[in-house]
Amino acid sequence: EAGVTQFPSHSVIEKGQTVTLRCDPISGHDNLYWYRRVMGKEIKFLLHFVKESKQDESGMPNNRFLAERTGGTYSTLKVQPAELEDSGVYFCASSPQGANTEAFFGQGTRLTVV
Amino acid sequence: EDQVTQSPEALRLQEGESSSLNCSYTVSGLRGLFWYRQDPGKGPEFLFTLYSAGEEKEKERLKATLTKKESFLHITAPKPEDSATYLCAVQATSGTYKYIFGTGTRLKVLA
Repeated sequence: EAGVTQFPSHSVIEKGQTVTLRCDPISGHDNLYWYRRVMGKEIKFLLHFVKESKQDESGMPNNRFLAERTGGTYSTLKVQPAELEDSGVYFCASSPQGANTEAFFGQGTRLTVV
Repeated sequence: EDQVTQSPEALRLQEGESSSLNCSYTVSGLRGLFWYRQDPGKGPEFLFTLYSAGEEKEKERLKATLTKKESFLHITAPKPEDSATYLCAVQATSGTYKYIFGTGTRLKVLA
């Protein structure tokens, strides 16, 4: 069974540009999460989808970040326009139906804004 | 505010030298506590879930325990391949199902 897949693995963009990160969860997983780790800090929650609906987006830093989950399958996270402080590793995770089941993480996308 | 603190930040052990990693947490109510292992350049890999005080889980050389305030990850007779960052995360009963992570413990096991 394929795990959580994220694309791209690395992205280097200039300040002011737009970047779109993609996450393909494990097939059949209703829950999809986005997290971010900035240098030297802990992994922090960004948002949570249940199927195609946003369940919790309390961790989204500002309105430059837009997340979508088309048809309850893959998800995208767009940053527009990117700022220097957006640099970090973005992780996607998915879990089956049920609140407290463990989440399975992708390998992450390392975003560098220069 | 819900919070997770892990200690030590880094740990170097000789092969076979057992030790414990600590995860202290403050949450309004605990839904679950999760341990993950992370290798460089990879995403966190699930190890254990603990739900209530007194619960213990084991897997090979690892054993996780839980009290009302903290969790320990005991590593018995570690091998170099156990070298990784170990992450602790909690899920609170209040509100949503997000993880609150600690900063992790970087473990290096020397041959």
